[in-house]
Amino acid sequence: ETGVTQTPRHLVMGMTNKKSLKCEQHLGHNAMYWYKQSAKKPLELMFVYSLEERVENNSVPSRFSPECPNSSHLFLHLHTLQPEDSALYLCASSQDRTGGEYGYTFGSGTRLTVV
Amino acid sequence: RKEVEQDPGPFNVPEGATVAFNCTYSNSASQSFFWYRQDCRKEPKLLMSVYSSGNEDGRFTAQLNRASQYISLLIRDSKLSDSATYLCVVNPGGAFSGGYNKLIFGAGTRLAVHP
Repeated sequence: ETGVTQTPRHLVMGMTNKKSLKCEQHLGHNAMYWYKQSAKKPLELMFVYSLEERVENNSVPSRFSPECPNSSHLFLHLHTLQPEDSALYLCASSQDRTGGEYGYTFGSGTRLTVV
Repeated sequence: RKEVEQDPGPFNVPEGATVAFNCTYSNSASQSFFWYRQDCRKEPKLLMSVYSSGNEDGRFTAQLNRASQYISLLIRDSKLSDSATYLCVVNPGGAFSGGYNKLIFGAGTRLAVHP
């Protein structure tokens, strides 16, 4: 497999459930990201991991919990979510840790619906 | 003021038309710039980087004006397959990025090319 792979593609969960989103990159990149995309809004950065260390948490509610066990894998653990958390969750990876010329490679996203 | 601002559109153009999108950014120290394309219900994909001298890739031309903090994308000879949302993306770099590759996304400009 190549690129950035996200699973599952679609997820429907109740507000009391616990679930996890998974992201895997096969590009040898050293940074990984979680973004949230709600309808009609820009992508919102949630978490950044650089060299497996969390370097930014953009005031995300604690019901979202990231985990980065190694440079190729990233998880987003979800629990007691709210209906307004329904969105497309995108994982991305990048080559350059220090803010160079490189863009991101995105996974195809997980479309989450909270009922 | 939003960090990255774009006209949401939609821009409805006939095949073969030339269309231009503009974008402004608020951080004058921003270091790198990109245009991404996002198809409906899909992930964003890198279209092209934007360089200070301007750059071209086939029918697509990107321009950067640092003095005005303005980025543009010109599409010539529009095709039906160009229909998508175009995202303006800025890397603030340096101290603003915390030393890692952080991208700020605009909300996107929607393009619809019709026969």
